[in-house]
Amino acid sequence: DAGVIQSPRHEVTEMGQEVTLRCKPISGHNSLFWYRQTMMRGLELLIYFNNNVPIDDSGMPEDRFSAKMPNASFSTLKIQPSEPRDSAVYFCASSPRGYNEQFFGPGTRLTVL
Amino acid sequence: GQQLNQSPQSMFIQEGEDVSMNCTSSSIFNTWLWYKQEPGEGPVLLIALYKAGELTSNGRLTAQFGITRKDSFLNISASIPSDVGIYFCAGPLYGGSQGNLIFGKGTKLSVKP
Repeated sequence: DAGVIQSPRHEVTEMGQEVTLRCKPISGHNSLFWYRQTMMRGLELLIYFNNNVPIDDSGMPEDRFSAKMPNASFSTLKIQPSEPRDSAVYFCASSPRGYNEQFFGPGTRLTVL
Repeated sequence: GQQLNQSPQSMFIQEGEDVSMNCTSSSIFNTWLWYKQEPGEGPVLLIALYKAGELTSNGRLTAQFGITRKDSFLNISASIPSDVGIYFCAGPLYGGSQGNLIFGKGTKLSVKP
């Protein structure tokens, strides 16, 4: 069975550019989570969706960050404009209905120069 | 707010030794999850615990749900080099929606061959 799929795996961009990260959750899972991981702050929840609806976006750092889930099999996290302090590994995770377990993708390592 | 405190923060052990780490909170949890993250990868779910006092094994790994519901322990027996990684505990956020977890800061395990 395919796990959570994220693309790209690595992204290097220049400050001010738009960055779009993509996630395909595990088929049949109804919750999707976006995390950011840095050495300083560890794993931070940015936003999560239940049944494609955003439930809590209080972790999104600022208005430069936005996330969408147009259907049950796809989500995007967009940063516009990007800044060097956005450099981190971004993870997507999904969870099946009625369960607390989350299953993580391999992550996207973002470097903003 | 709810927090998970993991200890130790890091461990340096010799191959073949047993490992013990724990996760504590001032709040009660009804589920405990243990994840392992290897360099360059996303966290992988190792063990899920659902009942106070529960003891669950996964190969050389054994985890226990503390009887007070405020702590959990993870033991690794006869460690091998591939056990290297960061081990995270996680639990569902009180009052949060399905699958919304909080994570500890992790225990970093290094194994010397």
